[in-house]
This record gives sequence, structure tokens and C-alpha cells, in this order.
Amino acid sequence: GQQLNQSPQSMFIQEGEDVSMNCTSSSIFNTWLWYKQDPGEGPVLLIALYKAGELTSNGRLTAQFGITRKDSFLNISASIPSDVGIYFCAAGSNYKLTFGKGTLLTVNP
Amino acid sequence: NAGVTQTPKFQVLKTGQSMTLQCAQDMNHEYMSWYRQDPGMGLRLIHYSVGAGITDQGEVPNGYNVSRSTTEDFPLRLLSAAPSQTSVYFCASSSPYPSSRETQYFGPGTRLLVL
Repeated sequence: GQQLNQSPQSMFIQEGEDVSMNCTSSSIFNTWLWYKQDPGEGPVLLIALYKAGELTSNGRLTAQFGITRKDSFLNISASIPSDVGIYFCAAGSNYKLTFGKGTLLTVNP
Repeated sequence: NAGVTQTPKFQVLKTGQSMTLQCAQDMNHEYMSWYRQDPGMGLRLIHYSVGAGITDQGEVPNGYNVSRSTTEDFPLRLLSAAPSQTSVYFCASSSPYPSSRETQYFGPGTRLLVL
């Protein structure tokens, strides 16, 4: 089946630092999404991307839909303690979403 | 607008027992899906529905049944629970307008332990 390779698996950063994570696939997708999941909660949608090359921001978060439609990245600027959590990329086509395995972000105050 | 709701939040079953995980959404979304989340595995699609009366299998459908009699509800049934079904289950819904059918919104999850 389709797979997404998400990296890094985990990150330990200091408050105020910028963060970058990405997802790649061998398949082409129509939609790329980024979710954040806090412990004991469901994934919450952060950014949705619908066009190849699209660059979208949501506050301190910026994500891009790769030109080849096979990859996406998420940047977080000036991290704060509440950014802690697991970030998932997801890519969609034909009603279905495929998820990466997540990036665990830890922010040291 | 409650979004996607799931019940129960927690459940413990014995091997062989049956149960139904409930999912409801009040956003009039056409598409609904069930995922399971296991450590280190991300989320994997179990079953999905593109509208009332229409369901299809996802990546890991074995051991689970679904039906979609209304737009709002999409229950997931475990007919004979097995320890391998211990997991966290998430329901999600989406609509092609104004975003896309793949832009899914998730419920809070049901944590299931099968002994």
C-alpha cells in the first residue's frame, strides 16, 4: 500500500528555536495535511494544502505542498512549550488518507 | 456544533466479546472513516463511507464491520474481540465543500483494551 516517510521521528529543541519536519512518498497525492495530536486527544488539523507548490501559513506554522505532489514540509517558527506533541503528515486521494508515523516534538523551556 | 463525537471513551473487553463503537457528526459531512492508532504505526484506515448506505474497506478491515444508515452516524462493530484489536480508535468526517473530501476532522477517540 501507499506509505509516507516522515522525518525526523523525534526532536528535542529549546524554546524559541525553529523546527522543520517533512514527509515524502513514492506516490502522487491530491491533498497534503498536517495534524497535531496531544496525549489522549484526537488529531487536530493544522494546515491543509490542495495545490502543488502551494505555501500556506497558520500563525507560526508554514507548510508547503511539493511541486512533484510527492512531498510536503512543515515549519514551526519561534517554538513555545505548548508546541509539544506529535505532528502527523497525511496525504489524500480518492476519499482516503495515508498517515506518516509522526514526529514527536519536545520543547525545553 | 459538537463536531465529531465518539462513545465510549474507554472500554475493556474479554476475548470473544462483541461491542459497538459509536461515532456521530453534526456537520452534515458526507464522508466518514474509522482509523486505529497503534504505537509507532501512525493511523491506519479500517473502513470508510462516502454517504448513507455506502461503505468500503480500508487498509485493515479484518475483524470489523460497519454500516451507515444515516448521514450523522457511523458505528464500528467488533463481532468477536481479539487482543490484537487493543488500540485507540478514531472516527473522522469530511466534506468536499469548502475544503476537500480528504480533509478529515477527528473525534476524541475510544481507547479499547481486549484481555
